[in-house]
Amino acid sequence: DADVTQTPRNRITKTGKRIMLECSQTKGHDRMYWYRQDPGLGLRLIYYSFDVKDINKGEISDGYSVSRQAQAKFSLSLESAIPNQTALYFCATSDQTGDVETQYFGPGTRLLVL
Amino acid sequence: GQNIDQPTEMTATEGAIVQINCTYQTSGFNGLFWYQQHAGEAPTFLSYNVLDGLEEKGRFSSFLSRSKGYSYLLLKELQMKDSASYLCAALDSNYQLIWGAGTKLIIKP
Repeated sequence: DADVTQTPRNRITKTGKRIMLECSQTKGHDRMYWYRQDPGLGLRLIYYSFDVKDINKGEISDGYSVSRQAQAKFSLSLESAIPNQTALYFCATSDQTGDVETQYFGPGTRLLVL
Repeated sequence: GQNIDQPTEMTATEGAIVQINCTYQTSGFNGLFWYQQHAGEAPTFLSYNVLDGLEEKGRFSSFLSRSKGYSYLLLKELQMKDSASYLCAALDSNYQLIWGAGTKLIIKP
């Protein structure tokens, strides 16, 4: 079984709709992240959480919100979807081993906003 | 501002060697990562450098020069399965990863 899972894997929605993307992990990591990836651009950080009571805005948080329901679950919401939120969304977790903090990514959610 | 530059696309031949360069400008620096991403899949960790020099891991090696803000990923004995995008990412002073747009590597027989 995959260590980091995302649901749904693909989603088509209409402008103005509220949608939620979910992420679950079995790695036991405290740190979780939401990114979006667009063609020709690097991964951009939306929100991150270092533990259940900690939520932080990333580079592009406008139009998004998150909820850290448990150590293993971190969900991303688009309150009112717009077409420029069409992208590939990745959830990631991380741990620290020595000096290295390595991020582990889920399989991604392809979102199309019409 | 913070910036990561890497070539958009490179082509190489099966069995050959290819070097993918990355330059970075970040507010503070706590290490440089390379990830591999096959089309439609999640990025996977390849290497991490925080000290100057070369780190070798099988067919893949990664080099860092902190004074020059420069890193490269070296892939030897290229195989068709190495066709993927290679993402360079720098860890800034706040321990946030700043990602490059990725280099798409095309391997030809």
